[in-house]
Amino acid sequence: QQQVKQSPQSLIVQKGGISIINCAYENTAFDYFPWYQQFPGKGPALLIAIRPDVSEKKEGRFTISFNKSAKQFSLHIMDSQPGDSATYFCAASYGGATNKLIFGTGTLLAVQP
Amino acid sequence: KAGVTQTPRYLIKTRGQQVTLSCSPISGHRSVSWYQQTPGQGLQFLFEYFSETQRNKGNFPGRFSGRQFSNSRSEMNVSTLELGDSALYLCASRAWASTDTQYFGPGTRLTVL
Repeated sequence: QQQVKQSPQSLIVQKGGISIINCAYENTAFDYFPWYQQFPGKGPALLIAIRPDVSEKKEGRFTISFNKSAKQFSLHIMDSQPGDSATYFCAASYGGATNKLIFGTGTLLAVQP
Repeated sequence: KAGVTQTPRYLIKTRGQQVTLSCSPISGHRSVSWYQQTPGQGLQFLFEYFSETQRNKGNFPGRFSGRQFSNSRSEMNVSTLELGDSALYLCASRAWASTDTQYFGPGTRLTVL
């Protein structure tokens, strides 16, 4: 029940296309859902996060869609660029905490020029 | 403002040894969390320190321990190293509140031979 399931494991998208990564969870106590981006040799960096009181949050080209009833959330990257090529992790936590995170297994995104 | 720094960046140890990793949080940040990242298990929360006290703990054996100093710097110790402890150990800091954004350091790559 503590798991966060992430798919796909890897994704290849053409430059300018839309990248979509999905995550699902079971624990209804989760109330904080961030997405992290990690480049090789670097630590994860927070991209965008959402709390369950909203169904969508957009920051620039990045959008989180959240479906509370389905216990799913997804990351959409619009106009994908080669510089977006990285590993993306979804995560979840409860009690509003931003640190005691349960991470998904990661999605390796490659954006082809 | 300088980011989270971790030392050393790379470390090679042999089975049975112990190791100490260091983390300096962003100036003014009082909370430090540690994570283990491996290809098999992904990103897993180890523990959090706040004001020199362990506040949260993940599901790791007692061989993994940590501490925090009055200047918020933190150390993580792993005793009696096992091959499976080979991983990227990430430190993350946040300012104060549980809802503050968490920032990761670049990690320490530990290899156990």
